[in-house]
Amino acid sequence: ETGVTQSPTHLIKTRGQQVTLRCSSQSGHNTVSWYQQALGQGPQFIFQYYREEENGRGNFPPRFSGLQFPNYSSELNVNALELDDSALYLCASSIGTGNDGYTFGSGTRLTVV
Amino acid sequence: GQNIDQPTEMTATEGAIVQINCTYQTSGFNGLFWYQQHAGEAPTFLSYNVLDGLEEKGRFSSFLSRSKGYSYLLLKELQMKDSASYLCAVRDSETDSWGKLQFGAGTQVVVTP
Repeated sequence: ETGVTQSPTHLIKTRGQQVTLRCSSQSGHNTVSWYQQALGQGPQFIFQYYREEENGRGNFPPRFSGLQFPNYSSELNVNALELDDSALYLCASSIGTGNDGYTFGSGTRLTVV
Repeated sequence: GQNIDQPTEMTATEGAIVQINCTYQTSGFNGLFWYQQHAGEAPTFLSYNVLDGLEEKGRFSSFLSRSKGYSYLLLKELQMKDSASYLCAVRDSETDSWGKLQFGAGTQVVVTP
């Protein structure tokens, strides 16, 4: 079985620009969650998608948005980038409630300059 | 909201045992997870506790006391490859977002020869 894959692995953007990050969930997993991890910190929950609908959101502004596709892959979009958006963005997938654990991708390292 | 507290760093010798404590304060509780994260890599699932008691998986064990808001991860027979950050994460039962995990900042374990 394949794991969770994210693209790109690294990205540099300028303040004010927009960015789209992509995630392919593990085979058979129907739930995708996105996290932001600043250096030296634990991941912070952004939002979750289930059956192509946003199903819960953390404390992030509306310029963070997402999509989930019929094949359960997902995108994270961030508009009007700010310097503080520089972080590792992690995608995690699970089957339903995830009691067997959430599988994380290796993340996209976003640097905003 | 929730507070997840764990020590910042712990150092131990190869072959020894290390116990990483995690305390949490939550208005709801629906499970506690431990993840291992090597620098620059994805967090990998180690354990899930939802009932009180000890769960053992090879060299790793995790304990939960819901009444005390306390968990620990026990690493036995430490190996150099165990040097990593260990993340404690709590799932809030007050939300339908089962993918929403509240993470601590992580404990950096350094294994020395």
